[in-house]
Amino acid sequence: NAGVTQTPKFQVLKTGQSMTLQCAQDMNHNSMYWYRQDPGMGLRLIYYSASEGTTDKGEVPNGYNVSRLNKREFSLRLESAAPSQTSVYFCASSTPGPLYFGPGTRLTVT
Amino acid sequence: GQQVMQIPQYQHVQEGEDFTTYCNSSTTLSNIQWYKQRPGGHPVFLIQLVKSGEVKKQKRLTFQFGEAKKNSSLHITATQTTDVGTYFCASGGTSYGKLTFGQGTILTVHP
Repeated sequence: NAGVTQTPKFQVLKTGQSMTLQCAQDMNHNSMYWYRQDPGMGLRLIYYSASEGTTDKGEVPNGYNVSRLNKREFSLRLESAAPSQTSVYFCASSTPGPLYFGPGTRLTVT
Repeated sequence: GQQVMQIPQYQHVQEGEDFTTYCNSSTTLSNIQWYKQRPGGHPVFLIQLVKSGEVKKQKRLTFQFGEAKKNSSLHITATQTTDVGTYFCASGGTSYGKLTFGQGTILTVHP
């Protein structure tokens, strides 16, 4: 039982490049989330999926898109990366209820 | 969402001293959750409080939810080096999972 897994763990992008962050959970949770963490800002919700087939914007959705591929997988896409998107990205899942977080992806955009 | 302000931002203590972090809101909170994040790690759920005036304990950790459900606190008695990390409070609206996090309190424990 791996819980929530994220790939990649680290990534460096140049401004304007695109990439997709992958997230999968094996806990049969209905809801999945993408948060970003920046120093002094806490965790801010980018997008969430309350259930398979639905996605909604969170607090900071600009510059991102998401896909809930199936109940297990929820991906986050940066179409044209900007330096302001340098951050640590956490995927999380819940039944809903308490959040279970993945290990995070540390992204640097130069 | 339900906005929560957390103080202090940093706290440095000597091992054995007590530690408290506070979470405040201008509006009534439906619930409050607490998470701990070790350096370089990911947030891990500690506890959830739902009822007015609720107090819960986990070994040396005591969690309180205010009577008006507008504030909460986490108190650690006799800190240990294993307590090092960032402690976050978070509150949700109608959906527990759609949480709004406080800014976190970074705890450093000096041996």
